Amino acid sequence: GAVVSQHPSRVICKSGTSVKIECRSLDFQATTMFWYRQFPKQSLMLMATSNEGSKATYEQGVEKDKFLINHASLTLSTLTVTSAHPEDSSFYICSARRGVAKNIQYFGAGTRLSVL
Amino acid sequence: GNSVTQMEGPVTLSEEAFLTINCTYTATGYPSLFWYVQYPGEGLQLLLKATKADDKGSNKGFEATYRKETTSFHLEKGSVQVSDSAVYFCALSAQAGTALIFGKGTTLSVSS
Repeated sequence: GAVVSQHPSRVICKSGTSVKIECRSLDFQATTMFWYRQFPKQSLMLMATSNEGSKATYEQGVEKDKFLINHASLTLSTLTVTSAHPEDSSFYICSARRGVAKNIQYFGAGTRLSVL
Repeated sequence: GNSVTQMEGPVTLSEEAFLTINCTYTATGYPSLFWYVQYPGEGLQLLLKATKADDKGSNKGFEATYRKETTSFHLEKGSVQVSDSAVYFCALSAQAGTALIFGKGTTLSVSS
């Protein structure tokens, strides 16, 4: 089946630093990738939709200057948490859409971010 | 707006027990419905899907039927195994290609 690789799986950083998370579709091209955030015992909440070659579309309440998304190629999207603070600590998950018609998304394993 | 509500867990069962995880949705139009499973330390995997009313999705012994009259998509399995222990997410997609809207997830623990 289709594989989406997300890296790193876990990161611990100091407050004020920036963290980059990569999401790669390994065996298919993904014109659209999605970034979700999951709080403990909560559902996955969509943060933004990443489209190759264009600006990401952010959900209401998500700061685009805080969460920078770049989708420079058909197989790679990155999420950069800038000037991270403890409240940014969370589980971040990406997904890649393989074809519009089948409407199936393939998910990365997620990144656990802990900001000290 | 669109939303998904699924039963809260954890659900604890003995091996070979019958499983039901309830899921109801609110959506305009005709959404597609999904069940995803997340095993410990892994990403979400598509378990099954249904794209229109009365469709039944099935995979690995799991089934769910798209019930428009009750706006439900309950997940069932006749005989669970220890290896089924995971978190199960119900989700909908309002339109083809759009992001998924998830329920909160239900943790299933199966003991031998």
